[in-house]
Amino acid sequence: AQKVTQAQTEISVVEKEDVTLDCVYETRDTTYYLFWYKQPPSGELVFLIRRNSFDEQNEISGRYSWNFQKSTSSFNFTITASQVVDSAVYFCALSEAFNTGTASKLTFGTGTRLQVTL
Amino acid sequence: DTGVSQDPRHKITKRGQNVTFRCDPISEHNRLYWYRQTLGQGPEFLTYFQNEAQLEKSRLLSDRFSAERPKGSFSTLEIQRTEQGDSAMYLCATSGTGGANGLDEQYFGPGTRLTVT
Repeated sequence: AQKVTQAQTEISVVEKEDVTLDCVYETRDTTYYLFWYKQPPSGELVFLIRRNSFDEQNEISGRYSWNFQKSTSSFNFTITASQVVDSAVYFCALSEAFNTGTASKLTFGTGTRLQVTL
Repeated sequence: DTGVSQDPRHKITKRGQNVTFRCDPISEHNRLYWYRQTLGQGPEFLTYFQNEAQLEKSRLLSDRFSAERPKGSFSTLEIQRTEQGDSAMYLCATSGTGGANGLDEQYFGPGTRLTVT
């Protein structure tokens, strides 16, 4: 069975601080996919990133960066110079692969609520 | 707007009543997923369709729940004889399978919040 653990329930930072959200996953699959989603107060889940299990390259997109380490089964998310608009619940998710090699149903963690204040 | 849409956004019903939710996917997406999210939790998978075929159902989906996707376009999720434990946000997500069908990451609709009194 697949499992995603986000041990940080809530994090509070002051604007412009850097913050890292932790994600640890469990799977027996050799091919799998990892995702991060943002759920702002409006409620709609927003897709942020998708990583394949065979690609451990870290990724940076503006103020966001992701660190994927298979050796520790972790896929951590860092926001640099946080802003008030980053306040949201962030979910890490794991997907097994269909036989076509594409991602399938998502198993989510319980989320980390990030509060950024002025 | 070409995103995933869901209707209604909110539904309040009395215990024992039937409710039906609708999801309209991104037009080129052939996979459609239903999830349920309760307060303080991440979404949990309920069922998914590829085109019109329902290919997997979670054990969370009791006999009171049924989903359809006629013609492989919009989908409906019906809950019969609602119980207070059914109160949750019901989320629809769609994805492609690559190529002209779009990539396989899932895009979510705004959800339908169900309250059973």
